[in-house]
Amino acid sequence: GAGVSQSPSNKVTEKGKDVELRCDPISGHTALYWYRQSLGQGLEFLIYFQGNSAPDKSGLPSDRFSAERTGGSVSTLTIQRTQQEDSAVYLCASSFLGTIFDGELFFGEGSRLTVL
Amino acid sequence: DAKTTQPPSMDCAEGRAANLPCNHSTISGNEYVYWYRQIHSQGPQYIIHGLKNNETNEMASLIITEDRKSSTLILPHATLRDTAVYYCIVRGMEYGNKLVFGAGTILRVKS
Repeated sequence: GAGVSQSPSNKVTEKGKDVELRCDPISGHTALYWYRQSLGQGLEFLIYFQGNSAPDKSGLPSDRFSAERTGGSVSTLTIQRTQQEDSAVYLCASSFLGTIFDGELFFGEGSRLTVL
Repeated sequence: DAKTTQPPSMDCAEGRAANLPCNHSTISGNEYVYWYRQIHSQGPQYIIHGLKNNETNEMASLIITEDRKSSTLILPHATLRDTAVYYCIVRGMEYGNKLVFGAGTILRVKS
């Protein structure tokens, strides 16, 4: 596609339910990042995938959060047993050469999650 | 990580140059300076980056002081569509490949 695609664009769920958020990076991009942005706050790094290397999961806030990237392309961020504090916009970004020095990060429009 | 300090907000008249400052006094020799912006309800957009030389592209210019402790992003002719949050980020390779975003500067371009 022309850009990073995220789905769903909006998700409303009840506390305790599991949710899955999907990211389709730009074709050929080797690196994929997940961030989240709570209302009125800055971007919080969650996880980073680069090729076949082990992902950098250092930003995941709890073990309820997990992510996978299948075939080096599509990624799914899963939040189990959602809590109200999980409400935020979840942003995905991809990068061509996999380092922040060789290229820029291209962000999607985000998935807005609301936990009631 | 070298931390950055930016003013929380700035105003600029439409058509005038917008100069957004960033202090990064603890930057180390191999850390780059990156600028991104985020227009309301959109994902962040890359603007420009540099190491020590001044850089210019179709969107903006980046001026880095000789001691590299501060930089200025210049939008030469600001338009209403440039109203956004502007993030200044410094990052070195040895800390991994993630960008850490701060609070940024809210730039309001007014007609």
